[in-house]
Amino acid sequence: QVQLVESGGGVVQPGGSLRLSCAASGFTFSSYAMHWVRQPPGKGLEWVTFVQHHGTTQYYADSVKGRFTVSRDNSKNTLYLQMSSLRPEDTAVYYCAKDENWSADQWGQGTLVTVSS
Amino acid sequence: QTVVTQEPSFSVSPGGTVTLTCGLSSASVSTSYYPSWYQQTPGQAPRTLIYRTSTRSSGVPDRFSGSILGNKAALTITGAQADDESDYYCMLYMGSGTWVFGGGTKLTVL
Repeated sequence: QVQLVESGGGVVQPGGSLRLSCAASGFTFSSYAMHWVRQPPGKGLEWVTFVQHHGTTQYYADSVKGRFTVSRDNSKNTLYLQMSSLRPEDTAVYYCAKDENWSADQWGQGTLVTVSS
Repeated sequence: QTVVTQEPSFSVSPGGTVTLTCGLSSASVSTSYYPSWYQQTPGQAPRTLIYRTSTRSSGVPDRFSGSILGNKAALTITGAQADDESDYYCMLYMGSGTWVFGGGTKLTVL
C-alpha cells in the first residue's frame, strides 16, 4: 500500500533553513506529481507547493515563493522541501501528499517545524 | 485574493444526512476547479474522501458523496455515524498550478 514518511522537522531560529524529506513506497513514485501541505498548530490546512512527476515544473503558494524550493529524486523515491529565510508563521506540521487528478490523495503523517528563537 | 468558503461548524444527528458546502468569494465553483474533500480528526493526518468533484478515494464508504450544488461544491454524508465527527476541508484547484483550501467545517454528531 502507499506509504509516505516525512522527516527533517525540528526547531529552527527565524531566518534559518531546514530541509524536509518525504520517503515514498508502495507506488511508482516517478509517475506521480506530489504536494506539500502545512497546518499551523490549531489552524487549518494550507497548500504549499506542487511538483510534477518529472520534477522540472514546480508551483508555490505566494506565502513561500522565493523562500521554499521543492525537488524530488525519483531514483531514491524521495520528495524534498528546502525551506530558507524561515519565519515564525512557517511553524506548522508539514505533510507530503501524492497527487491524484489535481487533488491530494494519499498523505504522510507529517513532520513538525517550529520557528522560534 | 481568492477565498474559499466553508461553514465554520455544522451539527447532525446520528443516522442523519448532512451536506457541507465549498464556495468561492467571487465566482461559482464548477468541476473545472477539481474540488476535493478531506476529513481530519485531532492529531491525525488528513484523509482524502473525495477528489475530482465526486470520485471516492480508495476505501471511503459510499455514504460519503461529492457533487456540485448550485454554485458550490458539496460533500454529503448519509447515515452519519459518531466517528464522522471531524473537521472537513475542501480544496480547489485555482489554475496556474495553485490550490487553495477552505477554512474547514467542524462537524458535530449529536
